[in-house]
Amino acid sequence: AQSVAQPEDQVNVAEGNPLTVKCTYSVSGNPYLFWYVQYPNRGLQFLLKYITGDNLVKGSYGFEAEFNKSQTSFHLKKPSALVSDSALYFCAVRPTGFQKLVFGTGTRLLVSP
Amino acid sequence: EADIYQTPRYLVIGTGKKITLECSQTMGHDKMYWYQQDPGMELHLIHYSYGVNSTEKGDLSSESTVSRIRTEHFPLTLESARPSHTSQYLCASSDRREAYEQYFGPGTRLTVT
Repeated sequence: AQSVAQPEDQVNVAEGNPLTVKCTYSVSGNPYLFWYVQYPNRGLQFLLKYITGDNLVKGSYGFEAEFNKSQTSFHLKKPSALVSDSALYFCAVRPTGFQKLVFGTGTRLLVSP
Repeated sequence: EADIYQTPRYLVIGTGKKITLECSQTMGHDKMYWYQQDPGMELHLIHYSYGVNSTEKGDLSSESTVSRIRTEHFPLTLESARPSHTSQYLCASSDRREAYEQYFGPGTRLTVT
């Protein structure tokens, strides 16, 4: 079965510190990988995606993610967290041959001042 | 901001009423999706469509129905609302030309009393 795991329900980090939100996947083929962010009472907003090429992908708001094929991971990172980064983050995968995405269960990021 | 719209944004309605949640996109995407999400929780795919006159049920069983008569329009209908239908409903669209990246609407927060 195709699946995406976000092992942490919540990540706490102090403002100015680096942050990592973890994502691992179990899908066949060469998947497309995505990160989305959701603020309260809003829809999901696209942050970044990996299709092919350089394993380090840069996205919106200073976020980046590293694709690691051997570890089947796609962790989201930011060098210096902001309080305004506090939100719900979703990892998603498009398995080869699929026309829809498989979403993780989400990780709440809380950045304290 | 993505060109995908949902109306109403908020709806409070009594048990037994028929409701239709509207979703429209102006991007010409052939694929559209409906997700159900309790606040701060994971997404559940309830319906999707890969084109006009094509609709499929998603991973989560839902009493709602959908139609896709026009490319840009993907309404969701509940024939008889119940308190268990209280949730947030998110509409999304995607296209192969954009690597199936999903664009999300702002959501409809439904409360059934």
